[in-house]
Amino acid sequence: EAGVAQSPRYKIIEKRQSVAFWCNPISGHATLYWYQQILGQGPKLLIQFQNNGVVDDSQLPKDRFSAERLKGVDSTLKIQPAKLEDSAVYLCASSLWTDTQYFGPGTRLTVL
Amino acid sequence: KNEVEQSPQNLTAQEGEFITINCSYSVGISALHWLQQHPGGGIVSLFMLSSGKKKHGRLIATINIQEKHSSLHITASHPRDSAVYICAAGGGADGLTFGKGTHLIIQP
Repeated sequence: EAGVAQSPRYKIIEKRQSVAFWCNPISGHATLYWYQQILGQGPKLLIQFQNNGVVDDSQLPKDRFSAERLKGVDSTLKIQPAKLEDSAVYLCASSLWTDTQYFGPGTRLTVL
Repeated sequence: KNEVEQSPQNLTAQEGEFITINCSYSVGISALHWLQQHPGGGIVSLFMLSSGKKKHGRLIATINIQEKHSSLHITASHPRDSAVYICAAGGGADGLTFGKGTHLIIQP
């Protein structure tokens, strides 16, 4: 069974630039999560989708972050414009509904 | 809002030792997850449990719902067990709250 796919794996940008991350969840998984993990901390939920609807985006900095899951499958997370403090690993996870989450490899973002 | 505390933050042990990592949470939950994160960032889900005990190979996870406490044990530890172990509490519509992780190093 294929796992959660994410791309790119690494990204280096300058502050004020834009960046987008892509996630392909496990086939059939209704729920998709985006997490931000700053070095030395546990992951923080940014947004949770169930199919193509948003369940929780309370910790998403909406002035600069946006995410979509238009067809209820793939998802993209965008940062525009990026700040230095956005340097982190961005993790995507999926689950059948609200059970065990399966994590992708993450995208390591460095903002210079 | 749930608060999740893990201990210890860092643990170095010799190969073969019995390892225990603890997790406490503040609010009643539907499930507790133990995750393993290797250098490079990839996270693997080890256990999801809502009561009692689960075992997988050399890993054992227990939870005490009344005391809001869970432990992850590793028997006969091996250098390949070196990783960050993260406890996450919650689930369902409330989402997960993650601990900061326990950085485990097993020396040969």
